[in-house]
Amino acid sequence: GNSVTQMEGPVTLSEEAFLTINCTYTATGYPSLFWYVQYPGEGLQLLLKATKADDKGSNKGFEATYRKETTSFHLEKGSVQVSDSAVYFCALSEKNFNKFYFGSGTKLNVKP
Amino acid sequence: NAGVTQTPKFQVLKTGQSMTLQCAQDMNHEYMSWYRQDPGMGLRLIHYSVGAGITDQGEVPNGYNVSRSTTEDFPLRLLSAAPSQTSVYFCASSPFFAGTGVSYEQYFGPGTRLTVT
Repeated sequence: GNSVTQMEGPVTLSEEAFLTINCTYTATGYPSLFWYVQYPGEGLQLLLKATKADDKGSNKGFEATYRKETTSFHLEKGSVQVSDSAVYFCALSEKNFNKFYFGSGTKLNVKP
Repeated sequence: NAGVTQTPKFQVLKTGQSMTLQCAQDMNHEYMSWYRQDPGMGLRLIHYSVGAGITDQGEVPNGYNVSRSTTEDFPLRLLSAAPSQTSVYFCASSPFFAGTGVSYEQYFGPGTRLTVT
């Protein structure tokens, strides 16, 4: 079956620190991979995505590379800001079916 | 475009009561879905629909009903509320073109926070 595993949080960093949030997946086919972000009291927003192996998704300084050999899609940012404090969800979607499978979410706290 | 809208934002129910959570989208998306979000468990799919008149169950469908009479609306009905249904509910929509081999991002509503006492 399909599933997504994320590192547990919360992750607490100082401003300008390097961020990595690990995400690994299990899938029966060749899924698309996504990172969503949820700010307090809001719905989820797409942060970035990758649709095939070795694709790199990027947005707002965040990056993630679709690694088929390690079934991973780790989220990275070189220098976090206080405004990046949020919950981050890794997700996969089966092509042709559009059903999404989400990880449990990782809360990021960035201190000034 | 308003995107995906959900009403109400907050709701308190007593055990055994029924209610409908409303979801609407104005993007002409074929695919719509309902999730519940519980602490430490991420989002779990309740029901989904790939077009008007077509619905299917997700991971946790028990205690919930859906129907899709129009492309725009996808209401979620709680038949007899239980404390285990206390959660935050999100509706989402996306384009859907069967057989294209493409996955589209889902657009989420702001959520409904439901408490069942």
